[in-house]
Amino acid sequence: QVQLVESGGGVVQPGGSLRLSCAASGFTLRNYDMHWVRQAPGKGLDWVAFIRYDGSNKYYGDSVKGRFAISRDISKNTLYLQMNSLRPEDTAVYYCVRGEHDYGDSWGQGTLVSVSS
Amino acid sequence: SYELTQPPSVSVSPGQTARITCSGDALPKQYTYWYQQKPDQAPVLVIHKDVERPSGIPERFSGSSSGTTVTLTISGVQAEDEADYYCQSADNNTPWVFGGGTKLTVL
Repeated sequence: QVQLVESGGGVVQPGGSLRLSCAASGFTLRNYDMHWVRQAPGKGLDWVAFIRYDGSNKYYGDSVKGRFAISRDISKNTLYLQMNSLRPEDTAVYYCVRGEHDYGDSWGQGTLVSVSS
Repeated sequence: SYELTQPPSVSVSPGQTARITCSGDALPKQYTYWYQQKPDQAPVLVIHKDVERPSGIPERFSGSSSGTTVTLTISGVQAEDEADYYCQSADNNTPWVFGGGTKLTVL
């Protein structure tokens, strides 16, 4: 069965860096598009980043462009999100999501990132 | 940047019909998807490709589309349907765009 398990969240100071991981099981990343979606406390869903199934294309939301980087390790079947120059407004639960055509068919449980001094 | 607009809240009594709209200029050209999110849980897909219901989703959930507006309809609302609902679509520049979300309250 499909499972996505995020890790790497925590408390970080403004300007700091953090790398999130998403361990996938029950399927292989090489066959699926993958996304990161975040949700600030009490707020709505905010799409963050995308990587195509073959790794050929990556896209980012305007608010994270130039600061975040999505990547994957096929040998570990793991998705990553490298987050640099973090800001207080990046505080959110970050979800790893498998893309099926144009929608998310499987979501992880999320990992909380808190940016605060 | 492209935006999808949803009403912040909708309230209905049990057994009534709830309708949640989502508006966006690109919706006539792109499919829309609807997710249900309950507190402290990840979102769950309830409608895909505007009108299709995934397996396991109750028949009371349905979707429709007209021009630049798509609608999620929940017929015979039950207390367990109280949740936040998000529409999601795309445009030429962005793989995914989410609406702001609608809080459904069952009175």
